[in-house]
Amino acid sequence: EEQLVESGGGLVKPGGSLRLSCEASGFTFSGYSMNWVRQAPGTGLEWVSSIGSTSSYRYYADSVKGRFTISRDNAKNSLFLQMDSLRVEDTAVYYCARDVSGSLGGLDVWGQGTTVTVSS
Amino acid sequence: QSVLTQPPSVSAAPGQKVTISCSGSTSNILNNYVSWYQQLPGTAPKLLIYDNSERPSGIPDRFSGSKSGTSATLGITGLQTGDEADYYCGTWDSVLSVWVFGGGTKLTV
Repeated sequence: EEQLVESGGGLVKPGGSLRLSCEASGFTFSGYSMNWVRQAPGTGLEWVSSIGSTSSYRYYADSVKGRFTISRDNAKNSLFLQMDSLRVEDTAVYYCARDVSGSLGGLDVWGQGTTVTVSS
Repeated sequence: QSVLTQPPSVSAAPGQKVTISCSGSTSNILNNYVSWYQQLPGTAPKLLIYDNSERPSGIPDRFSGSKSGTSATLGITGLQTGDEADYYCGTWDSVLSVWVFGGGTKLTV
């Protein structure tokens, strides 16, 4: 079964840092571009960042550019999101999601999400 | 304000058909694939449609997708109470180099 499992969420004070992880199983992780998507309480989906299958590209939403860093370790089938200078508005459930076949056609496998709460 | 525009809500009776629209622009929908997602309460989004009109394995043919110009449409036939969920469209924006999503549409059956 193709699966993504996020971890690393928690409660952090404004200005603090967190590192999210996403472990993949059941598919060839190194063959797919990956993404982070978040959802603040009671709101819709917001794309955060994308990384190519070989880390050849990294894209960020303007709202996180300069504060968040996406990375991956294909040998460990893992995706990461380093979040620094966290703000209250970064509070959300963070999902990792796989690009379907690299065509930018959709995100076909999603994790269950990990909750990040930024509050003093 | 989302880059892609969806109606906030739609409703229809069980067994009926409903369509959900998604309006974008030349920098996103016109030249890129559109995908659709279903999110049941308290769960992660689930891909329903990719590449404008393709269904992943396991998605029933009651769900269909189409695209014309800068707009896309999700169709659901034979509505069931279990279809009550939030539905999102998404696509890549070639100018901004970002994924963009619609604001979501709440379906009531």
